[in-house]
Amino acid sequence: DAGVIQSPRHEVTEMGQEVTLRCKPISGHNSLFWYRQTMMRGLELLIYFNNNVPIDDSGMPEDRFSAKMPNASFSTLKIQPSEPRDSAVYFCASSWTDSSYNSPLHFGNGTRLTVT
Amino acid sequence: RKEVEQDPGPFNVPEGATVAFNCTYSNSASQSFFWYRQDCRKEPKLLMSVYSSGNEDGRFTAQLNRASQYISLLIRDSKLSDSATYLCVVNIHVSGGYNKLIFGAGTRLAVHP
Repeated sequence: DAGVIQSPRHEVTEMGQEVTLRCKPISGHNSLFWYRQTMMRGLELLIYFNNNVPIDDSGMPEDRFSAKMPNASFSTLKIQPSEPRDSAVYFCASSWTDSSYNSPLHFGNGTRLTVT
Repeated sequence: RKEVEQDPGPFNVPEGATVAFNCTYSNSASQSFFWYRQDCRKEPKLLMSVYSSGNEDGRFTAQLNRASQYISLLIRDSKLSDSATYLCVVNIHVSGGYNKLIFGAGTRLAVHP
């Protein structure tokens, strides 16, 4: 099993540019999560998909952030326009979830984003 | 109040020591609990689930106190390789019958020779 695959591993961009982060969940998992981690705020849940449908996007900071999951094997997190305060490590994670059970999360290696 | 709270540490302990971390959660309807470990510049990885009756995995023991809404992690005979950040994770219900996992900010452990 290849695990959760994220790309790119590192992204350095200038303020105002569009950033797209990509994630391939583990095959067979039906839930996908985007988290952001910073020293100040720890690990924050941004958005959560179940069966490709966004269930909870209350953690998305503002309209500059958007996420899609067009199919069970791919998701994107887009920031447009990017700002320096968006600098963080962005993790994608997947699991099997139903109404009564959450399997443990499996995380990707993360994308380290730096916005200058 | 944060949904999941942990002492950030750091806990600096010598090899062989026993160390314990606590974590409190605010949602009394939380159903399942986990401890994750995160090494520097790496992704979080599952360390162990926490069961109502308490559970042990080698040198690691996890316990749950639902009445007081806290969970704990005990590490015996600490090794240098135990140095990491330990994240407390709580599974809570969201509307529509779904669940989501909320992470604490983590407790940093540094084991020294």
